[in-house]
Amino acid sequence: DTAVSQTPKYLVTQMGNDKSIKCEQNLGHDTMYWYKQDSKKFLKIMFSYNNKELIINETVPNRFSPKSPDKAHLNLHINSLELGDSAVYFCASSLPIPGLREAHNEQFFGPGTRLTVL
Amino acid sequence: QKEVEQDPGPLSVPEGAIVSLNCTYSNSAFQYFMWYRQYSRKGPELLMYTYSSGNKEDGRFTAQVDKSSKYISLFIRDSQPSDSATYLCAMTGIGGSRLTFGEGTQLTVNP
Repeated sequence: DTAVSQTPKYLVTQMGNDKSIKCEQNLGHDTMYWYKQDSKKFLKIMFSYNNKELIINETVPNRFSPKSPDKAHLNLHINSLELGDSAVYFCASSLPIPGLREAHNEQFFGPGTRLTVL
Repeated sequence: QKEVEQDPGPLSVPEGAIVSLNCTYSNSAFQYFMWYRQYSRKGPELLMYTYSSGNKEDGRFTAQVDKSSKYISLFIRDSQPSDSATYLCAMTGIGGSRLTFGEGTQLTVNP
């Protein structure tokens, strides 16, 4: 029933490992995002895909690679994990706000994946 | 300098108080202004949005945008313990899907 779901919810791993986080949305949205939220609650966009195509790619290390097999899924793979990667990662998807001529997109967030790198 | 500045708090108020949360920004291209609420260990959820300048009211919540001052506010009347959360302002330009967030203000409403 959940609109935007992420797995796993918690991820604890050793430095140097490779891990993946999965995201799925059942809202029929075309655009999906990955955000990183640090310990100070600052939420920063990492990537955005529209209909499986990359449209936003912020300055993120190459160790982070998003993959969108279809428009309902956007997964995040992280190679060679570092201590600084510890954060909460949020997936989101978006829908234009109705009634606005040039619509901005309301974004719906998943519950987050809390990544701890030891 | 960050594009969006928001006092992280924490802010603690008694139940029933009026709460004022604010953000300033530097990018004149921002046209859509939003407030997201994030409960502990949950994802942010959209609370209110406004387009360009003006006020918008929804129940106990009022959002204000002053583009001339590059300043936005969220007021919460008759605050309740259930309003305890982190409030994040966010904004974007016309046609843009890239949201720029403030740092978030942590609010606690004490019964």
